[in-house]
Amino acid sequence: DAKTTQPPSMDCAEGRAANLPCNHSTISGNEYVYWYRQIHSQGPQYIIHGLKNNETNEMASLIITEDRKSSTLILPHATLRDTAVYYCIAADLAHGSSNTGKLIFGQGTTLQVKP
Amino acid sequence: DGGITQSPKYLFRKEGQNVTLSCEQNLNHDAMYWYRQDPGQGLRLIYYSQIVNDFQKGDIAEGYSVSREKKESFPLTVTSAQKNPTAFYLCASSMRANYGYTFGSGTRLTVV
Repeated sequence: DAKTTQPPSMDCAEGRAANLPCNHSTISGNEYVYWYRQIHSQGPQYIIHGLKNNETNEMASLIITEDRKSSTLILPHATLRDTAVYYCIAADLAHGSSNTGKLIFGQGTTLQVKP
Repeated sequence: DGGITQSPKYLFRKEGQNVTLSCEQNLNHDAMYWYRQDPGQGLRLIYYSQIVNDFQKGDIAEGYSVSREKKESFPLTVTSAQKNPTAFYLCASSMRANYGYTFGSGTRLTVV
């Protein structure tokens, strides 16, 4: 699975958009980009995922560059409850062998939403 | 409601004792996973199973054992061979498709 790189921490003002970047320059053609978040002492929560096209759901938007080497997770109106660690992961869960097809978590980005 | 349940939420054990953490899912997912998380760290994969009666070691399998006798259940045993068992343990499940994982709420194990 491709390695991803995220900034260790970011701040965002409450009510503003939070834009969390992720680099995945070695991503392969079958690998999706997944975003999860983890609020302290809870299990990770799925946010969104995508392959090539931009995606939007009730939680967030995912913008993937045309060359697929980077992406941005956008929380359009951040609230204090969005304070969490955000993980960006590149993986192919449908076609993985014993050595692939798993979600490998890095250190993520700690997003602090401030009043 | 479908989901994944881990029990207990908190577990205390004496050093040298084996302990089994429960993970049950009713999502009809084929694959199940166990992760360990230490304070301030990301998740590390212990074991995973993509089908009943089959499982593979993850990155930090030493000192742990698992079984997958039923599709719904994937218990993790932390043995006395695990040097630093105190941690937050997370179980997840998925279909073998690109829909991602569903995580349980975790078990916090403290060995004294």
